[in-house]
Amino acid sequence: DAGVTQSPTHLIKTRGQHVTLRCSPISGHKSVSWYQQVLGQGPQFIFQYYEKEERGRGNFPDRFSARQFPNYSSELNVNALLLGDSALYLCASSLRGGISYEQYFGPGTRLTVT
Amino acid sequence: TQLLEQSPQFLSIQEGENLTVYCNSSSVFSSLQWYRQEPGEGPVLLVTVVTGGEVKKLKRLTFQFGDARKDSSLHITAAQPGDTGLYLCAGAQGNYGQNFVFGPGTRLSVLP
Repeated sequence: DAGVTQSPTHLIKTRGQHVTLRCSPISGHKSVSWYQQVLGQGPQFIFQYYEKEERGRGNFPDRFSARQFPNYSSELNVNALLLGDSALYLCASSLRGGISYEQYFGPGTRLTVT
Repeated sequence: TQLLEQSPQFLSIQEGENLTVYCNSSSVFSSLQWYRQEPGEGPVLLVTVVTGGEVKKLKRLTFQFGDARKDSSLHITAAQPGDTGLYLCAGAQGNYGQNFVFGPGTRLSVLP
C-alpha cells in the first residue's frame, strides 16, 4: 500500500511569491496535518484537517492556509513568501483527527525561498 | 520558549552501549509520541503512550510516560548503528488532541 505522498519534492521560490504544496494521505485516512520543520529543529504544527474541516491551527500567520478535498487529499498554501519560510514541509495522515490516532508522515517538500 | 524540552541535544556513543534520552515539559499532555527521523525523510512513529506511568517496550527500546503526563524517557539497550537518527517526542493537547507539539529532538549517532 502507498504511504503518504507529497509533491513536489523540492521547490525554489522568490520572496513575495506564493506556493502550493500537495499531500495525498494513506488510503482510508481522513485526517491530514501539516508541519513546518526548520533545519535543526523539530516540526512545528501548522494545521490539522479532518473530514474537510479545520480541527486545529498552530501559531502561524494568515499567509498560511490549507484545505482538504473530498478525496481527503490536502493543499497547503503560503502567500507572500519570506526567507524564513524556507523549511521542510511535512504532511501526516491519520485515520481520524487528534493525536490518539497514529500519524504517518510523508517524505516532505523542501521549500527554499531566495 | 520550547513547550517540550529534549535532552541531550546531541549524543554520540559506541555500538553496544546503553542510552537514555529525555523529554520534559511543564505542561500536561493527553498523550505523547516518540518518532525517529532520518535525513531527508519524514518522522517515523515509534510509540504512543497515553497513561501516566505507562511503560512500553519495543525490542531494545523502552518508553516511559511520567506519572503526571508531563515527561517521558526513551531507553535504548545495546545500541546499534541502525539506531542513528533524530529522536523526537511530541505531545498532544486540546479537546481532540489536535494541537500537536514537537520537541527539538535528540540527535543520536551510534558508531560501529
